[in-house]
Amino acid sequence: DQQVKQNSPSLSVQEGRISILNCDYTNSMFDYFLWYKKYPAEGPTFLISISSIKDKNEDGRFTVFLNKSAKHLSLHIVPSQPGDSAVYFCAASAAGNQFYFGTGTSLTVIP
Amino acid sequence: DVKVTQSSRYLVKRTGEKVFLECVQDMDHENMFWYRQDPGLGLRLIYFSYDVKMKEKGDIPEGYSVSREKKERFSLILESASTNQTSMYLCASSLTTGGYNSPLHFGNGTRLTVT
Repeated sequence: DQQVKQNSPSLSVQEGRISILNCDYTNSMFDYFLWYKKYPAEGPTFLISISSIKDKNEDGRFTVFLNKSAKHLSLHIVPSQPGDSAVYFCAASAAGNQFYFGTGTSLTVIP
Repeated sequence: DVKVTQSSRYLVKRTGEKVFLECVQDMDHENMFWYRQDPGLGLRLIYFSYDVKMKEKGDIPEGYSVSREKKERFSLILESASTNQTSMYLCASSLTTGGYNSPLHFGNGTRLTVT
């Protein structure tokens, strides 16, 4: 049973606009959430994380929002750039132990 | 920067062969993980290890085993390769268990094809 879900397999956004990638989880014990970016033929690269004691974490163009009551997190990329085109995975863990990943969202930023 | 190195980028093996996938990390991380990535299924955990000679089953351990004789090295073994084990295999490490500043760091993956 998938504990972390990314319901949008793909997303296309114009360059300069906002990209919003969504992720839902089912396990209320999860307290550490991460986003990874993956280019073809490369391993995932850590992007940004958030702990359950926060509802927002920002790093440059990337912001992650956490809504614990809805068991939902999102990644905002502003402004989107063509180099952001990649597959994005969200992941979650309970106390930093086993990490559970979503199925990924393929983002295409159109120049 | 953490470096996780997987020994092969591409491998082609025959059904029934014993396959070894090697992974080395250079940052003295305690934890190491093996995932496989398949289209539409995301990353699924095969095995992980939080210490030398320790191992824990992940979500899909069947058909696999692991070895961690040294802290920096974690090997994934396919005892008798089958075509349904054709996949992208990703090794990862993390500094420690627990806390919120210990993300996974991944290698570049091994694309294994079993014919």
